[in-house]
Amino acid sequence: AQTVTQSQPEMSVQEAETVTLSCTYDTSENNYYLFWYKQPPSRQMILVIRQEAYKQQNATENRFSVNFQKAAKSFSLKISDSQLGDTAMYFCAFVPLIQGAQKLVFGQGTRLTINP
Amino acid sequence: NAGVTQTPKFRILKIGQSMTLQCTQDMNHNYMYWYRQDPGMGLKLIYYSVGAGITDKGEVPNGYNVSRSTTEDFPLRLELAAPSQTSVYFCASSYPQGLGGYTFGSGTRLTVV
Repeated sequence: AQTVTQSQPEMSVQEAETVTLSCTYDTSENNYYLFWYKQPPSRQMILVIRQEAYKQQNATENRFSVNFQKAAKSFSLKISDSQLGDTAMYFCAFVPLIQGAQKLVFGQGTRLTINP
Repeated sequence: NAGVTQTPKFRILKIGQSMTLQCTQDMNHNYMYWYRQDPGMGLKLIYYSVGAGITDKGEVPNGYNVSRSTTEDFPLRLELAAPSQTSVYFCASSYPQGLGGYTFGSGTRLTVV
């Protein structure tokens, strides 16, 4: 069974600091996608960044970047120059690219607070 | 573009009542999913569908039923509501292989008392 583990239930940093959220996953599949989703108090699930396992280059989206270590099955999210609007729950998610529906498997989440 | 639309946004049910959570998408996605999110937890898959007329169980299907008569609609039925079904429910859709990503609805907060 595929599992996703986020070992940091809560994190808190000052505005403008850099913060890294950890995520590890367990799978026997070789082809898969990894995602980070942001869930603000509005409850909406917002895609932050996506990484294809076959790509060695780490994905980057503006202030958000990942450190993808396939052999270690690790997928951390780095937020640079953090802003108050980054305050939210962050979920790491994994989907194997196998025949049939691609079902997202989520971690437990990390509650991130950016302090002014 | 409406994306994925869920109704209602909030609902309170009494134990033993039944209800249907509606989900509609206008992106012509083949795949649709229902997840539940318990307080402080990640999302768990209830049911999913790869196309009209095809549905299958996810991780936590007990107490729920689904149908997929059209590409656009994927309603979730709760029969004999129980307090353990108090949760936030999310509908999502995607193309095969997750191409283009997954689109989530805004969620339904359900309380069973």
